[in-house]
Amino acid sequence: QVQLVQSGAEVKKPGASVKVSCKASGYPFTSYYMHWVRQAPGQGLEWMSLINPTAGSTSYAQKFQGRVTVTRDTSTSTVYMELSSLTSEDTAVYYCARSTDWRFYFDYWGQGTLVTVSS
Amino acid sequence: EIVLTQSPGTLSLSPGERATLSCRASQSVSSSYLAWYQQKPGQAPRLLIYGASRATVIPDRFSGSGSGTDFTLTISRLEPEDFAVYYCQQYGNSPYTFGQGTKLEIK
Repeated sequence: QVQLVQSGAEVKKPGASVKVSCKASGYPFTSYYMHWVRQAPGQGLEWMSLINPTAGSTSYAQKFQGRVTVTRDTSTSTVYMELSSLTSEDTAVYYCARSTDWRFYFDYWGQGTLVTVSS
Repeated sequence: EIVLTQSPGTLSLSPGERATLSCRASQSVSSSYLAWYQQKPGQAPRLLIYGASRATVIPDRFSGSGSGTDFTLTISRLEPEDFAVYYCQQYGNSPYTFGQGTKLEIK
């Protein structure tokens, strides 16, 4: 069965960076795109980025341009999302989510990773 | 950026009733590329509808309709497990935006 398993919760200080992983299993890793979506406490969902696991090409929401980097390791079927220059407004649950390669709705989601930014 | 506005913010209904949730886009959504998700507390969102299709194992009491800028999620007969927050998402244009959500609560 399809599974997306994310790394554990993180606590970071303002100005630091965080790197969250998402390990995929149960399907051909390179056949589906992977996205990152975040949700601040009590708030809605916000799309951040996508990666084409085959080519490694990425696309980022303008809001996060220059601050987010998404990479993948095809040998371990894992996608990574690194967010830098953290502020308290980056406190959120970060989800990875899978889509097909041409219609970007999300049929499987990771369990979420809580990132807390606090001094 | 396409802004999605969901209404109402909160919907109070009883089990067995019909629920109608609205999602309005600030500009036309390409090819009706609109999805609906359900989210329960402490859980990841779950895909319900994409375009006019139900996702795998989603019961047929859930249906989606609409085109252009106006879309609707209908739950024909509410079950106790349907009370949750619902989000719409457009996937026609980057960034792939979500609505702010509608909370469906038990009356």
